[in-house]
Amino acid sequence: EPEVTQTPSHQVTQMGQEVILRCVPISNHLYFYWYRQILGQKVEFLVSFYNNEISEKSEIFDDQFSVERPDGSNFTLKIRSTKLEDSAMYFCASRAMNTEAFFGQGTRLTVV
Amino acid sequence: AQTVTQSQPEMSVQEAETVTLSCTYDTSESDYYLFWYKQPPSRQMILVIRQEAYKQQNATENRFSVNFQKAAKSFSLKISDSQLGDAAMYFCAYRSAWSISNFGNEKLTFGTGTRLTIIP
Repeated sequence: EPEVTQTPSHQVTQMGQEVILRCVPISNHLYFYWYRQILGQKVEFLVSFYNNEISEKSEIFDDQFSVERPDGSNFTLKIRSTKLEDSAMYFCASRAMNTEAFFGQGTRLTVV
Repeated sequence: AQTVTQSQPEMSVQEAETVTLSCTYDTSESDYYLFWYKQPPSRQMILVIRQEAYKQQNATENRFSVNFQKAAKSFSLKISDSQLGDAAMYFCAYRSAWSISNFGNEKLTFGTGTRLTIIP
């Protein structure tokens, strides 16, 4: 069964450093998403991406965040200068026109 | 904006018994989808069940069924014959239906979750 793959599963980074979280969506999917879940809290929408551009972004998705689909298969989330409060589980999701979103297994980001 | 509320932070049920998790939502839209996602300790998000708002019939998936009350904006999940593997966080979620105005933007809005414990 096809699945969304995220790497790494756990990333530890120092405050102020840049991190890139990687996702490989399901191959025929067209819509891509990043969500965030701070430990013990609900899952929050960050950004949606379609046709090589951002469709919608939340208030959380400020100038420190960016997304890219560099090669037609990967979908990345970059945080330019990490803060302690960026520590969270980051989920990538993708879907086709007529399917629901499939989630990856998440990347746990720890900022120290 | 849509909101999703889960008023039960924690629930527990005896193995083999039935449990119902509650969810209410607020929206001004008439066409939308509702979901229950399961998040086990591995923290992966797994779709359990989906309900289309235009369908009156409640969705069922094996031991999982929903009670969808559109007028009351209520969407509860019933788990029958609870098993140890059902222990997880359960999130209720809302998504707008596709429209020209939100094409590509059908994000999920989640509730705060209910932690379900299964007692052997």
